[in-house]
Amino acid sequence: GAVVSQHPSRVICKSGTSVKIECRSLDFQATTMFWYRQFPKQSLMLMATSNEGSKATYEQGVEKDKFLINHASLTLSTLTVTSAHPEDSSFYICSAGRKGETQYFGPGTRLTVL
Amino acid sequence: AQSVAQPEDQVNVAEGNPLTVKCTYSVSGNPYLFWYVQYPNRGLQFLLKYITGDNLVKGSYGFEAEFNKSQTSFHLKKPSALVSDSALYFCAVRELDSSYKLIFGSGTRLLVRP
Repeated sequence: GAVVSQHPSRVICKSGTSVKIECRSLDFQATTMFWYRQFPKQSLMLMATSNEGSKATYEQGVEKDKFLINHASLTLSTLTVTSAHPEDSSFYICSAGRKGETQYFGPGTRLTVL
Repeated sequence: AQSVAQPEDQVNVAEGNPLTVKCTYSVSGNPYLFWYVQYPNRGLQFLLKYITGDNLVKGSYGFEAEFNKSQTSFHLKKPSALVSDSALYFCAVRELDSSYKLIFGSGTRLLVRP
């Protein structure tokens, strides 16, 4: 149990375009989903916390207008990178959990912006 | 603020030997501690957690961790390492507020040589 999927696993896009990444909890309902960014050989940096039915809470320094997060249901959260630039290239990972319980992570999405 | 430290960037061990990956924590109350493992280009997999109870926590794939309050440590251990255990290991502590955010250590790369 506790499977989290992400789609797509890899995406290449041109600078200036927008990219949407989906995170789904497949076998449980997630009241909270988290979005992380990971640079090569580095730890995970929390970008935002997403609660179903409410606005996401962004960490300091993360542009909410650039990284749009929607948590429309208890099994789906989306991250949209708007007007992507090469510096947005990274590995994006989501996690899902119920309040107070263990977070389970998706397999990640590799974004490359040309 | 909560924090965890992983003092070793890399741990090398021979297959069949015991392994230890170190983690120390700094929290203002009772800690909720986690270990996750990450294989290349993948998300994180949950190994084990300490919330309360026995100081020795058993987890997935034969891993265990010992919670030591006096030394503020939560080291990950395995009696006999496998080559397939080679991966990146993260220690994490959960924030005590209602956000349920995880604060990750910098990660330790484990290399098990045949």
